Amino acid sequence: QKEVEQDPGPLSVPEGAIVSLNCTYSNSAFQYFMWYRQYSRKGPELLMYTYSSGNKEDGRFTAQVDKSSKYISLFIRDSQPSDSATYLCAMSPIHGSGNTGKLIFGQGTTLQVKP
Amino acid sequence: KAGVTQTPRYLIKTRGQQVTLSCSPISGHRSVSWYQQTPGQGLQFLFEYFSETQRNKGNFPGRFSGRQFSNSRSEMNVSTLELGDSALYLCASSLATLGRGGTDTQYFGPGTRLTVL
Repeated sequence: QKEVEQDPGPLSVPEGAIVSLNCTYSNSAFQYFMWYRQYSRKGPELLMYTYSSGNKEDGRFTAQVDKSSKYISLFIRDSQPSDSATYLCAMSPIHGSGNTGKLIFGQGTTLQVKP
Repeated sequence: KAGVTQTPRYLIKTRGQQVTLSCSPISGHRSVSWYQQTPGQGLQFLFEYFSETQRNKGNFPGRFSGRQFSNSRSEMNVSTLELGDSALYLCASSLATLGRGGTDTQYFGPGTRLTVL
């Protein structure tokens, strides 16, 4: 079983819809949670970064972390065709010996927003 | 501020050859991590360098190696290429809060797409 599970989709929604993307994880040591967006033939771009549990909002994007359920979510409001991309969740524990510089990624969810 | 740059962007090699990929981090960033991305396995961590030292290593064979220079630029090398090494190789840089807990936000380059024939 992978440490981070993410439904690869694809997920297709109409423009303006609210999109919900999710990841589950098994390692209780994970404390930092990130969402990256990756367009075709590009590198991942950091969207959201949260520490421990709680919500964080940035424009149309909201990230939620529920450590008790080992479940994280990314919500996109008023989705646009330009949001069509692959969304990757990533996690890491607090830095310590042997785990520096390493993010554990989900498989990525491919999102298509149709005009 | 310029982002992470990687060269070359595309490479085609044949089995048995070796390849060297280059990464220039964001100015001021001291840590460089390398990842391999494939459709089947997703993004997998290769190794991380800080101050010219490898601090962390993923579960890849010894054919995969890297190094970091005093200006924080990094290279990774893959020897004796296999078909399964075809992938997008991504480099990420971060400031690195050494010894202070927390974690470091990683910023990715565009990647080098390696095709092994």
